[in-house]
Amino acid sequence: GAGVSQSPRYKVAKRGQDVALRCDPISGHVSLFWYQQALGQGPEFLTYFQNEAQLDKSGLPSDRFFAERPEGSVSTLKIQRTQQEDSAVYLCASSPRNRGGLETQYFGPGTRLLVL
Amino acid sequence: SQQGEEDPQALSIQEGENATMNCSYKTSINNLQWYRQNSGRGLVHLILIRSNEREKHSGRLRVTLDTSKKSSSLLITASRAADTASYFCATDGGGYSGAGSYQLTFGKGTKLSVIP
Repeated sequence: GAGVSQSPRYKVAKRGQDVALRCDPISGHVSLFWYQQALGQGPEFLTYFQNEAQLDKSGLPSDRFFAERPEGSVSTLKIQRTQQEDSAVYLCASSPRNRGGLETQYFGPGTRLLVL
Repeated sequence: SQQGEEDPQALSIQEGENATMNCSYKTSINNLQWYRQNSGRGLVHLILIRSNEREKHSGRLRVTLDTSKKSSSLLITASRAADTASYFCATDGGGYSGAGSYQLTFGKGTKLSVIP
């Protein structure tokens, strides 16, 4: 079946511009995660949704970052007033139940964001 | 912050040889997972080992876990050029499905190159 998809795959933004990154999880998956991966590093947790509820946003680096999943399926990660340090790959993952790190997470291909 | 540390950071071997990667982590866990990432397919789950397991096999993969040393190893036998990728270990937050156990904490990864 279809995996996790993300769009756009690449985004170039001018500093100060707002961006929106989309994630389509695997159909029926309860849990959705966003991670940020800097060059040469492993992914770092940003936020977690269980259905439409955002249960943890402790990894969001600043209040310029905002995520939503209004109907419990598609999620959007929005970054306002982008800065150069926001340049990274943003990964979305979903998992079937609400067991989080206790089960396999299925990752999308990521959105590579470059802020100039 | 990243909990796991993979070792070595980079590894280059000839096709047909075995590759061993190690991972150390800091806090208690419920399970440890290994993921592979290459530019073509994004981050792909390989294997999950629970804290009460010591060894697990999947095809050419063998994972060990030593919770007393807070370390794990991933062995890839009879390597192929297609195994060229970065390999990450990821741990959950420990506890019993409580807050924090749903996020995965990744190491910085081992970059494996398999030379044909």
